[in-house]
Amino acid sequence: DIQMTQSPTSLSASVRDRITITCRSSHNISTYLHWYQQKPGKAPTVLIYHASSLESGVPSRFSGSGSVTDYTLTISSVQPEDFATYYCQQSYSAPWTFGQGTKVEIK
Amino acid sequence: QVQLQESGPGLVKPSGTLSLTCTVSNGSISSLTWWTWVRQSPGKGLEWIGEIYYSGTTNYNPSLKGRLTISVDRSKNQFSLDLHSVTVADTAVYYCARASRGPGGHKFDYWGQGSLVTVSS
Repeated sequence: DIQMTQSPTSLSASVRDRITITCRSSHNISTYLHWYQQKPGKAPTVLIYHASSLESGVPSRFSGSGSVTDYTLTISSVQPEDFATYYCQQSYSAPWTFGQGTKVEIK
Repeated sequence: QVQLQESGPGLVKPSGTLSLTCTVSNGSISSLTWWTWVRQSPGKGLEWIGEIYYSGTTNYNPSLKGRLTISVDRSKNQFSLDLHSVTVADTAVYYCARASRGPGGHKFDYWGQGSLVTVSS
């Protein structure tokens, strides 16, 4: 299985901060990487697909980048509704696997 | 837009079978996509369980293979999960989801609201 490791596990941020979350895969996944946001009690929703493509309807303050084994999710100016947990997921090789999550909290 | 809804018992006894059904609405289960189960243990991350194509082809997570059956009922626009010989470790919120296969491969773009299943005697 391809292991996905996110860092940090949690972070505190203020509104309008710029934050970056990192996801590292145990094998080259060739940008077969998606990012999800999950709020408490809700299902995840897709933010970024194929490493850097913005899902329809997602605000442009979210962006993704990366290649090979190292990927990042950036929120350029955190808004109150962005405080949530974020997960990466590889779609290169089954079983599809997720990172352990990064919880973004209000400072 | 496509909507998914899980249904099934919220409590299962150890060694029993966990059975859930996902009903798809505002879309056809016979569309060219995969239908997926994902679970999330309390306070933990996401685990892909397995998936089924409308034709009945399945892919299972090897960690659960041998205990898992996913099936599809095209007449009812539903797909189902049976997890056998459950233990307390199988307690989780179970989500059904659609996996679209565009650029970047399997992307879970539509999800059900989730169904909490507790394994307890």
